[in-house]
Amino acid sequence: EIVLTQSPGTLSLSPGERATLSCRASQSVGSNYLAWYQQKPGQAPRLLIYGASSRATGIPDRFSGSASGTDFDLIISRLEPEDFAVYYCQQYAGSPWTFGQGTKVEIK
Amino acid sequence: EVQLVESGGGLVQPGGSLRLSCAASGFTFSSYWMSWVRQAPGKGLEWVANIKQDGSEKYYVDSVKGRFTISRDNAKNSLYLQMNSLRAEDTAVYYCARVVRFSSGRADYGMDVWGQGTTVTVSS
Repeated sequence: EIVLTQSPGTLSLSPGERATLSCRASQSVGSNYLAWYQQKPGQAPRLLIYGASSRATGIPDRFSGSASGTDFDLIISRLEPEDFAVYYCQQYAGSPWTFGQGTKVEIK
Repeated sequence: EVQLVESGGGLVQPGGSLRLSCAASGFTFSSYWMSWVRQAPGKGLEWVANIKQDGSEKYYVDSVKGRFTISRDNAKNSLYLQMNSLRAEDTAVYYCARVVRFSSGRADYGMDVWGQGTTVTVSS
């Protein structure tokens, strides 16, 4: 099973600031078979990024993803009020699919 | 409108059974893999199971193998999760999700449509 470790657990930032969220895989996730999801309280998750760096339909370009080996980043270039949420990485390189434990982005 | 609506959650005693349903609308259900994902209270997301378009392939997380069964009825545009031998640790909100394969020449997938979730509580 591929274990995904996200850091930090919580990120305290102000609107307009840049957020960098990290996800490290315990082993290769193939050809960057990694996605990012956003979840707000009481809501279902929303797909943001697939293939480590491709934005899903309708996702603003302030969201971007990058990969280096088994290290992945989700970057939010300028935080908008609606971006404060919990973010999860998820790998689909092999079964079982696994999620990271999440990073909460909160208002400072 | 593309939509997934779960139902069937509730309170069940340990060792009991429950069947969750997910009704799909607004898209060609039979063309997509489907997933169940759960979230325990105050915890993160956990993928539970996947099923191929025609039901011929199914995959499960180890913790539910032999207890849960994912199935689908394409004629009814419905996804199911039969849960047997339920344990306290199965308590969670259960989401169904559509799995999209992106036409990128790679095997990129994403869960792009989610239901609102149905709550399962296992307690005596």
